[in-house]
Amino acid sequence: DVQLVESGGGLVKPGGSLRLSCTASGFPFNFYNMNWVRQTPEKGLEWVSSISSTSTYIYYADSVKGRFTISRDNAKNSLSLQMESLRAEDTAVYYCVRDREELLDQWGQGVLVTVSS
Amino acid sequence: DFVMTQSPESLAVSLGERATINCKSSQSVLHSSNNKNYLAWYQQKSGQPPKLLIYWASTRESGVPDRFSGSGSGTDFTLTINSLQAEDVAVYYCQQYFSTPMYTFGQGTKLEIK
Repeated sequence: DVQLVESGGGLVKPGGSLRLSCTASGFPFNFYNMNWVRQTPEKGLEWVSSISSTSTYIYYADSVKGRFTISRDNAKNSLSLQMESLRAEDTAVYYCVRDREELLDQWGQGVLVTVSS
Repeated sequence: DFVMTQSPESLAVSLGERATINCKSSQSVLHSSNNKNYLAWYQQKSGQPPKLLIYWASTRESGVPDRFSGSGSGTDFTLTINSLQAEDVAVYYCQQYFSTPMYTFGQGTKLEIK
């Protein structure tokens, strides 16, 4: 079975940093593009960032560009999101999501990030 | 930028009846190269992540019951749930993947049992 398990969430002060990780299993991780998608009650589902299977192509939403960095380690079946200069509006549940030919077909359970003083 | 607008925001339907959810895109998601609509539907039950239900506007994901169906083209789409079951209570989202990877989701429609 496909499994995506996020970790690294928590409470951080505005301006602080946090690193999210996602460990994948049950599929050939190195063949798939991967994404981070976040969700809040106010704004709903928001795509955050994407990385291609070989890390050649990387994309960010305008709302996080310059502050967040996506990366992956195919040898460890892991995906990461380094978040810097965090703001209150970054508070959300962050999902690690597999991209199957442009479809967001497998989602992790999500990890909560709270930015508050 | 794509804006996806769903209606209604919430609806209550009796068990065994039909539920209909609409989604309107600010731009066409029909790609002329393959005549496919880059529109997906997701179901999110309480406390769970979204689950892919339908893609290409009308193709059911493997394992999705055939009471779920999608229709529409261009900018206007519909998710229909026939013979509503109790386990269908969820929030449903449409999503465009025409501008991959800049995915855009609708705001969600909450489906409850009347």
